[in-house]
Amino acid sequence: AQSVTQPDIHITVSEGASLELRCNYSYGATPYLFWYVQSPGQGLQLLLKYFSGDTLVQGIKGFEAEFKRSQSSFNLRKPSVHWSDAAEYFCAVGPLSGYALNFGKGTSLLVTP
Amino acid sequence: DAEITQSPRHKITETGRQVTLACHQTWNHNNMFWYRQDLGHGLRLIHYSYGVQDTNKGEVSDGYSVSRSNTEDLPLTLESAASSQTSVYFCASSEIAGSTDTQYFGPGTRLTVL
Repeated sequence: AQSVTQPDIHITVSEGASLELRCNYSYGATPYLFWYVQSPGQGLQLLLKYFSGDTLVQGIKGFEAEFKRSQSSFNLRKPSVHWSDAAEYFCAVGPLSGYALNFGKGTSLLVTP
Repeated sequence: DAEITQSPRHKITETGRQVTLACHQTWNHNNMFWYRQDLGHGLRLIHYSYGVQDTNKGEVSDGYSVSRSNTEDLPLTLESAASSQTSVYFCASSEIAGSTDTQYFGPGTRLTVL
């Protein structure tokens, strides 16, 4: 069975500091991995996705993620956080592009001045 | 521009009533999904459809139903609303296959069952 674990429920970082959000997955075949962001009261927006190839994936808003098969991880990173990055972040895994996704429980990011 | 819309955006209903949440997409996507979002649970899949006349149960389908009579719409029906169904509901759609494919989400419907 596929599953996604986001170990950190809440994370607080100072504006300008670096950020890493953790995501671990369990999946029997080649996973398709996604990171979505949800601003308060909004829907979900795709930040980036990994299907194959280069294990370092670049996304929108300066985010990147690295797929590590040996660690079953797909951690999200940003070198310098802006106050507007405060939001809920969800990691998701699916069997194929476009099919039903299995989401983690999310990590809430707070950015302090 | 193509989009995915949900209506209503907010709904308050009473226990036992039937409620239908609408989802409409203009991308002509084959795949459509309904998720619910609850604190501490993230998003959980309710029902999904991979084409007209196709529907499938997800992880938390009890008490919900869907029907797909055309490509654009996948309405979600709560047959007899329960307080446990108070949640935020998201509809999503995607095209089949292709490495550039993305699942697009609607703005959500906040449902309160009293």
